[in-house]
Amino acid sequence: QKEVEQNSGPLSVPEGAIASLNCTYSDRGSQSFFWYRQYSGKSPELIMSIYSNGDKEDGRFTAQLNKASQYVSLLIRDSQPSDSATYLCAVEGSGGSNYKLTFGKGTLLTVNP
Amino acid sequence: EAGVTQFPSHSVIEKGQTVTLRCDPISGHDNLYWYRRVMGKEIKFLLHFVKESKQDESGMPNNRFLAERTGGTYSTLKVQPAELEDSGVYFCASSWRQGVWEPLHFGNGTRLTVT
Repeated sequence: QKEVEQNSGPLSVPEGAIASLNCTYSDRGSQSFFWYRQYSGKSPELIMSIYSNGDKEDGRFTAQLNKASQYVSLLIRDSQPSDSATYLCAVEGSGGSNYKLTFGKGTLLTVNP
Repeated sequence: EAGVTQFPSHSVIEKGQTVTLRCDPISGHDNLYWYRRVMGKEIKFLLHFVKESKQDESGMPNNRFLAERTGGTYSTLKVQPAELEDSGVYFCASSWRQGVWEPLHFGNGTRLTVT
């Protein structure tokens, strides 16, 4: 069974610090990787997508992908209390399942003022 | 542009009753997905529509679940009869206007509690 594992958390960081969220996946054929942010009672909101090895930066967010290690990470710089949420790693399936997302359980991040 | 909308936001029913969840995707999105998160577990795929056709329903737990998307617009997910283990949050998502790839856009979900 194809799996996505995230560091279980919860993760607590002070305001202004860097938050680092990690994810590993088992489907070696996967090509698309996503980070969703979910506030309590709300929908998962896409914040980053990454398809190629290396880093992708968008504002305070940087996604990193290493397909050889089957590893995806999300860095949040200058963390703000409003970043406090559950962060979900999602991986798109390969082959005939390439429309289907497999999610990790999520990591709860708390940013303390 | 309106997002994916789901109704109701919460539903509490007794074991053995029937519940119907509704999802309105983003206008023009051909792909519609249902996902579910049960307590303590990850969000899991249930099924996928392209327009009105079921492309993949491999994630549907059993034949007590019936999803429809008549006319290729909104979708319903019926659970009949509901069991305790059906409790969870049911998310709908949509994507892909013709010729335009987009990642999944999720609705706020329907929290289903079966007592």
